[in-house]
Amino acid sequence: SQKIEQNSEALNIQEGKTATLTCNYTNYSPAYLQWYRQDPGRGPVFLLLIRENEKEKRKERLKVTFDTTLKQSLFHITASQPADSATYLCALDSDTGRRALTFGSGTRLQVQP
Amino acid sequence: ETGVTQTPRHLVMGMTNKKSLKCEQHLGHNAMYWYKQSAKKPLELMFVYSLEERVENNSVPSRFSPECPNSSHLFLHLHTLQPEDSALYLCASSQEQGLNSPLHFGNGTRLTVT
Repeated sequence: SQKIEQNSEALNIQEGKTATLTCNYTNYSPAYLQWYRQDPGRGPVFLLLIRENEKEKRKERLKVTFDTTLKQSLFHITASQPADSATYLCALDSDTGRRALTFGSGTRLQVQP
Repeated sequence: ETGVTQTPRHLVMGMTNKKSLKCEQHLGHNAMYWYKQSAKKPLELMFVYSLEERVENNSVPSRFSPECPNSSHLFLHLHTLQPEDSALYLCASSQEQGLNSPLHFGNGTRLTVT
């Protein structure tokens, strides 16, 4: 069955460092992959979309890579700040023909000042 | 303001009650969605509407009944719920019903079934 894996353990890093979050998937051949940020008590907020023919996408301090051979996406936040603390979700389309995104369970990032 | 507004923000209901969740989007989008988010579980897709037509029903129990009267409004009617239905219910919209179209979420309704 299709599966999206994000590290369920929280990632704690020091302010100013680069945070790297991982999204692995199995039994998928996604055409698109999206990353969202979710703060407690709020809905997810869209950050970046990357297509299968794109290796890398950047937006300000954010960078996403997409390796269809490894079936993995990496999400990087450079020069991290305490305000970056949140849960980050990856989302993919589905091979089953479902016409909406399927989400991973997210990774909690905590940036220490 | 996210552009997608959900009401109420919190709802407590008994198992015999009937209530409705409301979602309104101010973005001019053509597709709307209901997702369920339970603690420590991924978002679960419930329903998808495209141009007011339901295009996805993800094996959701009949005690959840969606309604999309126009492209700006989406409702989720609830009746005879179970305690395990307690969760955060998120509404989202997108420009079009396609997998490359980012979702815009509301802040959800926190539902507690007693």
